[in-house]
Amino acid sequence: DQQVKQNSPSLSVQEGRISILNCDYTNSMFDYFLWYKKYPAEGPTFLISISSIKDKNEDGRFTVFLNKSAKHLSLHIVPSQPGDSAVYFCAASLAGNTPLVFGKGTRLSVIA
Amino acid sequence: DAGVIQSPRHEVTEMGQEVTLRCKPISGHDYLFWYRQTMMRGLELLIYFNNNVPIDDSGMPEDRFSAKMPNASFSTLKIQPSEPRDSAVYFCASRPGTSLGEQFFGPGTRLTVL
Repeated sequence: DQQVKQNSPSLSVQEGRISILNCDYTNSMFDYFLWYKKYPAEGPTFLISISSIKDKNEDGRFTVFLNKSAKHLSLHIVPSQPGDSAVYFCAASLAGNTPLVFGKGTRLSVIA
Repeated sequence: DAGVIQSPRHEVTEMGQEVTLRCKPISGHDYLFWYRQTMMRGLELLIYFNNNVPIDDSGMPEDRFSAKMPNASFSTLKIQPSEPRDSAVYFCASRPGTSLGEQFFGPGTRLTVL
């Protein structure tokens, strides 16, 4: 049973517009959430994270929002650029040095 | 500083053959993880080590899979005998014990079993 779900396998957005990637989780004990970005033929790379004590974290064009009551997080990319085209993985972890649990990923295509 | 190193980058083998994937984690990292990525299942955790000791191997699909970490700078994932359904991209990742969760991934090994 998947604990971290990314229900949209793909998303297409025009350059300059906002990209919103969504992620749902089932385990209310998760306390740290991350987004990873993956280009073809490369390993995933860390993008941004958020602790469960916060509801928003921003880093440049990237903002992650966390809604604990809905067990939902989202990644906003504004403005989207063609170089943002990649697969984005949502991940979550429990407290205490446990492994990350990943969603299946969402492929983002930013069209020029 | 070099990142996580994996070898080989690509492996093509025939069903029934033994396959060994290798990983060198980032120096000083206490944790090492092996993942498998497929279209159907996404990124699955196979096994992870802390200070060279296997902590959880519940993700290893079958007895055909085994992993070792003989020292802090080297780990192997072995499949014997390999089957076509093992075809996937295998990632190794590491992180320091002080990390809240961020893991550093290697470039992956694309395995094709014919």
